Amino acid sequence: NAGVMQNPRHLVRRRGQEARLRCSPMKGHSHVYWYRQLPEEGLKFMVYLQKENIIDESGMPKERFSAEFPKEGPSILRIQQVVRGDSAAYFCASSPPSGEQYFGPGTRLTVT
Amino acid sequence: AQSVSQHNHHVILSEAASLELGCNYSYGGTVNLFWYVQYPGQHLQLLLKYFSGDPLVKGIKGFEAEFIKSKFSFNLRKPSVQWSDTAEYFCAVISGGYQKVTFGTGTKLQVIP
Repeated sequence: NAGVMQNPRHLVRRRGQEARLRCSPMKGHSHVYWYRQLPEEGLKFMVYLQKENIIDESGMPKERFSAEFPKEGPSILRIQQVVRGDSAAYFCASSPPSGEQYFGPGTRLTVT
Repeated sequence: AQSVSQHNHHVILSEAASLELGCNYSYGGTVNLFWYVQYPGQHLQLLLKYFSGDPLVKGIKGFEAEFIKSKFSFNLRKPSVQWSDTAEYFCAVISGGYQKVTFGTGTKLQVIP
């Protein structure tokens, strides 16, 4: 059973460009979470999704950030008009109904 | 809202020393509890979990944790640490039947050979 897959692993964008981060949950998991981790800081919750539904987006910045988890295909975290402060590691996790989360390897976004 | 406190931000131990990392949570109802480990440059991995039953939970790599409901605590322990245990450790809680996980701020463990 493959784990949580994220791609790309590293992404470099210039200021003002768009970043699209993909996450494929573990087989059988219907819950997906996105987190941001900055150097020397903890894991910050961004959004919790189930198939075709956003359950909790209380951690998402109000502008430029969006997330989706369509019926088919991976979950996407989209950052429009990136700024230097968006540089971070973005981790996706998935869980079965019991709740324990399994994390992907992360996407390291660098904004130049 | 649920909150999780890890009071030790940075712990330095010599190999073979015993480890105990504190974790306290705020919500008093039914909780599911987890410890995750993040090795340098890697993603978080589940170390152990508690849902119900025996409050002493054994995880991978010789780690264990004890759920003490009266103290709202879920401390992580290992009798004898190794250099390879150098990592950051996160306590996490699910509460109130809602699947959103609340993470603590993490404890960085450095084991000196």
